[in-house]
Amino acid sequence: TQLLEQSPQFLSIQEGENLTVYCNSSSVFSSLQWYRQEPGEGPVLLVTVVTGGEVKKLKRLTFQFGDARKDSSLHITAAQPGDTGLYLCAGVPRGSQGNLIFGKGTKLSVKP
Amino acid sequence: DAGITQSPRYKITETGRQVTLMCHQTWSHSYMFWYRQDLGHGLRLIYYSAAADITDKGEVPDGYVVSRSKTENFPLTLESATRSQTSVYFCASSEGRGHDNEQFFGPGTRLTVL
Repeated sequence: TQLLEQSPQFLSIQEGENLTVYCNSSSVFSSLQWYRQEPGEGPVLLVTVVTGGEVKKLKRLTFQFGDARKDSSLHITAAQPGDTGLYLCAGVPRGSQGNLIFGKGTKLSVKP
Repeated sequence: DAGITQSPRYKITETGRQVTLMCHQTWSHSYMFWYRQDLGHGLRLIYYSAAADITDKGEVPDGYVVSRSKTENFPLTLESATRSQTSVYFCASSEGRGHDNEQFFGPGTRLTVL
């Protein structure tokens, strides 16, 4: 059972376009994290959202945690080729033993 | 340099051979983790360690052995490699475990079992 479902799996867009990536679950999470992974490297943490309804901005990236703490979204404004990579959401389900569970990721390609 | 390193970066081995993947971190983080990343499955936890000499199973531990005699090292051993263990392996470390702790990942080891 995949606790964190990410969509879309693949996204190919042109430079300057906007996009949104989703991370959904039927479980409640204490918080959700977003990581970005570039080819040949390990994932790097972008942000952690903790409070239901929370919105965090990181330059052109906007992260939102759902009110019910079951879902999150990542919106990129005016995408650039440097945004290319695999975006992973991860979290610890409330009441679990505490290990992070990762979604399968969204592979983003931004073409110049 | 401070950080988390993995070696080797690439490894090709044959079915039945023993393989050890190394992981070293310089932050003195308490927790260390081993994940495998496969197409269609994402990152799955193999084993983790809360401190030296304390290890525990993750989601997919079968066929793997870990040890942690020193805080900074967390080697992963495939005692008898199988083709299904072909994957990219990531080591990670963090100060704590749980939802508010950032995990720092190494660059990965790409393992091919023939």
